[in-house]
Amino acid sequence: EIVLTQSPGTLSLSPGERATLSCRASQSVSSSYLAWYQQKPGQAPRLLIYGASSRATGIPDRFSGSGSGTDFTLTISRLEPEDFAVYYCQQYGSSPETFGQGTKLEIK
Amino acid sequence: EVQLVQSGAEVKKPGESLKISCKGSGYSFTSYWIGWVRQMPGKGLEWMGIIYPGDSDTRYSPSFQGQVTISADKSISTAYLQWSSLKASDTAMYYCARRVAAAGTGYYYYYMDVWGKGTTVTVSS
Repeated sequence: EIVLTQSPGTLSLSPGERATLSCRASQSVSSSYLAWYQQKPGQAPRLLIYGASSRATGIPDRFSGSGSGTDFTLTISRLEPEDFAVYYCQQYGSSPETFGQGTKLEIK
Repeated sequence: EVQLVQSGAEVKKPGESLKISCKGSGYSFTSYWIGWVRQMPGKGLEWMGIIYPGDSDTRYSPSFQGQVTISADKSISTAYLQWSSLKASDTAMYYCARRVAAAGTGYYYYYMDVWGKGTTVTVSS
């Protein structure tokens, strides 16, 4: 089973700042098989990024993804108030298609 | 509009059985895998398994194999998650999601693009 470790667990930033979230895999994952999701309280997860770097439909361009192999990054260039949420990475390289434990992005 | 509509909240006692549902609309239900994801109170997302309604091919996470059954009825575009004997530790929110395999250049992208709103399951004596 591929274990995804996200860091930091909690990130405290202010609106307008840049956020960098990390997702590290226990073994190599093809970039095609790495996705990022956003979840707000009381809501279902929402797809942000697929294929490590492709934005899903309707996702603002302040969200970007990068990485390959075992290290992947989600960057939010300028935080808006609505971006404060929990973010998860997920790999589809092998079954089970595991999620990371999440990074909570909170307002400083 | 592509939608997944999940059944309503459930309150059950330990040892009882339960089957929750996820009805797809707005797309060819038999052409996409459906995944089930658990979220225990205050915790993260856990991948439980997936089913391909076209032929009922099913894959389970080892953590959930034998604990739940995933099924689908393609005639009514509905996937199911069921328990034969609930435990208090099954208390959680359960999401279904459409799993996409999109063709790129020489490879496929995979992701879950449409999610149901979730079904809350509470198991308490």
